[in-house]
Amino acid sequence: DVKVTQSSRYLVKRTGEKVFLECVQDMDHENMFWYRQDPGLGLRLIYFSYDVKMKEKGDIPEGYSVSREKKERFSLILESASTNQTSMYLCASTMGDLYGYTFGSGTRLTVV
Amino acid sequence: GQQLNQSPQSMFIQEGEDVSMNCTSSSIFNTWLWYKQDPGEGPVLLIALYKAGELTSNGRLTAQFGITRKDSFLNISASIPSDVGIYFCAGQGPSGGSNYKLTFGKGTLLTVNP
Repeated sequence: DVKVTQSSRYLVKRTGEKVFLECVQDMDHENMFWYRQDPGLGLRLIYFSYDVKMKEKGDIPEGYSVSREKKERFSLILESASTNQTSMYLCASTMGDLYGYTFGSGTRLTVV
Repeated sequence: GQQLNQSPQSMFIQEGEDVSMNCTSSSIFNTWLWYKQDPGEGPVLLIALYKAGELTSNGRLTAQFGITRKDSFLNISASIPSDVGIYFCAGQGPSGGSNYKLTFGKGTLLTVNP
């Protein structure tokens, strides 16, 4: 089974802190994605990556950046965390051959 | 970006009842997918549909890819308490850039009373 592992299930950070959310997949997938999930808003795409060192903005990239130095790891970075970035963050990966995404278990981030 | 309208937003049903939810779009999709998210977990793929008109079953779940390629529905028969969760539809391609980028509905929250 493909595994997508997010390093933390719960995080509490202070406003203004730099926050790193890590995601690792173990099936050599080229495509990786970061979403945030908020009640009533569903899943919104922040950034995605098709290959090492490649990234593209999703629908809500403001306030976020990403890093993909190795194929298996895709990091989401909050340069200066704000309270409106309190959310559930989901990482996903796919082979890209129409089998859909495999999601991690999510990181619930609270910014105080 | 593309939008999917998923309905209903939430459902409260009794154990044993059948459930139906659907998604519609103004855009055409090549693939429709249905996911379920258990509380505190990430979404898990339930059913994938690849052809207009396709009807696919997975146990008590049945999903269809609309003929117009702009809609899909998911039915759950004889619901049980472990069906509780959020169900998401998702569409993939052909427009909107990458073929691998999914557009998600906002989800249907299902509650099953034993």
